[in-house]
Amino acid sequence: DVKVTQSSRYLVKRTGEKVFLECVQDMDHENMFWYRQDPGLGLRLIYFSYDVKMKEKGDIPEGYSVSREKKERFSLILESASTNQTSMYLCASDREGEKLFFGSGTQLSVL
Amino acid sequence: AQSVTQLGSHVSVSEGALVLLRCNYSSSVPPYLFWYVQYPNQGLQLLLKYTTGATLVKGINGFEAEFKKSETSFHLTKPSAHMSDAAEYFCAVSENNNDMRFGAGTRLTVKP
Repeated sequence: DVKVTQSSRYLVKRTGEKVFLECVQDMDHENMFWYRQDPGLGLRLIYFSYDVKMKEKGDIPEGYSVSREKKERFSLILESASTNQTSMYLCASDREGEKLFFGSGTQLSVL
Repeated sequence: AQSVTQLGSHVSVSEGALVLLRCNYSSSVPPYLFWYVQYPNQGLQLLLKYTTGATLVKGINGFEAEFKKSETSFHLTKPSAHMSDAAEYFCAVSENNNDMRFGAGTRLTVKP
């Protein structure tokens, strides 16, 4: 069964902390994505990657960075967490033009 | 970049009634269009997608959507709503097979 695995289901961090969210897919997909989901705003694209070491900014990249050193792993980094980054973070992957496979999400709370 | 507008953040229908969820997109090239559904406390799953070819696309659970280029629309319909259709529905657009943008979502409520 295909799988996108996010390392944490719930995470609580303090303002100013550096936060790492990890995502691993086992489907050999080229594309990987990080979204945040907020009520009334839907899913907003933070960053995506279409190949190893390649990354593209999405619509809301400010305050975030990403790393893709291996094809199966795509990490989202919050350099200095702030309360407005409290959200559900969703990782996804796909092969070009096919459907997205989503992880189960990480609910991040920044206090 | 491409974008999606979903008209109506909440839609309420009676069981057995027609479901119509509206989606308009903006894209500089022929788009790929998708509808995803998120049931309560679950992840997103694909309902249907349009890439090329036939403009009327059939998906799972009796849903279908029609791509209308002249109207830049991709509305989702189902002839008869079931209680189990209550969920949040997201329209999404991809321009170059590499990135996908989602709309804000429409929450569907089905009344008995």
